Amino acid sequence: GQQVMQIPQYQHVQEGEDFTTYCNSSTTLSNIQWYKQRPGGHPVFLIQLVKSGEVKKQKRLTFQFGEAKKNSSLHITATQTTDVGTYFCAGGGATNKLIFGTGTLLAVQP
Amino acid sequence: NAGVTQTPKFRVLKTGQSMTLLCAQDMNHEYMYWYRQDPGMGLRLIHYSVGEGTTAKGEVPDGYNVSRLKKQNFLLGLESAAPSQTSVYFCASSYGDTQYFGPGTRLTVL
Repeated sequence: GQQVMQIPQYQHVQEGEDFTTYCNSSTTLSNIQWYKQRPGGHPVFLIQLVKSGEVKKQKRLTFQFGEAKKNSSLHITATQTTDVGTYFCAGGGATNKLIFGTGTLLAVQP
Repeated sequence: NAGVTQTPKFRVLKTGQSMTLLCAQDMNHEYMYWYRQDPGMGLRLIHYSVGEGTTAKGEVPDGYNVSRLKKQNFLLGLESAAPSQTSVYFCASSYGDTQYFGPGTRLTVL
């Protein structure tokens, strides 16, 4: 079946350093979504990418969707302690179902 | 507007006991989902519903049943709980592609 992998599983950075997580799907996706889950919380929607090669920015966060629509990345510039949490990508297919990646846990040391 | 709510927040069961988790949403969403989250495995879809009176199996449906008698409610049942069902359970709803998650239920099966 369809699989969505994320790397790395865990990243520890000093505050101010950059961070990137990568997402790869075994099949072509109709869209990719990104969610953030704070420790002890629930996933919260960040953004959706639909077009091949699409790039979107939200303040210090930059999201990319690969040309083949099988991979994506999230880059955070100059991390802050408020960025702590697990970042999940989720691949959308023909239905409204999502296949979630395994997530990347980001720890930020002040 | 409460969004997506889940009851209970915590529960401890003994092996073989049964229970029902309730999810309610007040956003008039057609789609609802049940996920389980285990360490290092991301979110895995158990069952989902595309509308009142309909349900479908997800990635890991064994040992669970669901019902969607009313549009705003989606119930997840465990008929005979097993230790392997110890997990955090999240409910979500969606209108389009974006999913809105409830706060989760932490279930421990002894």
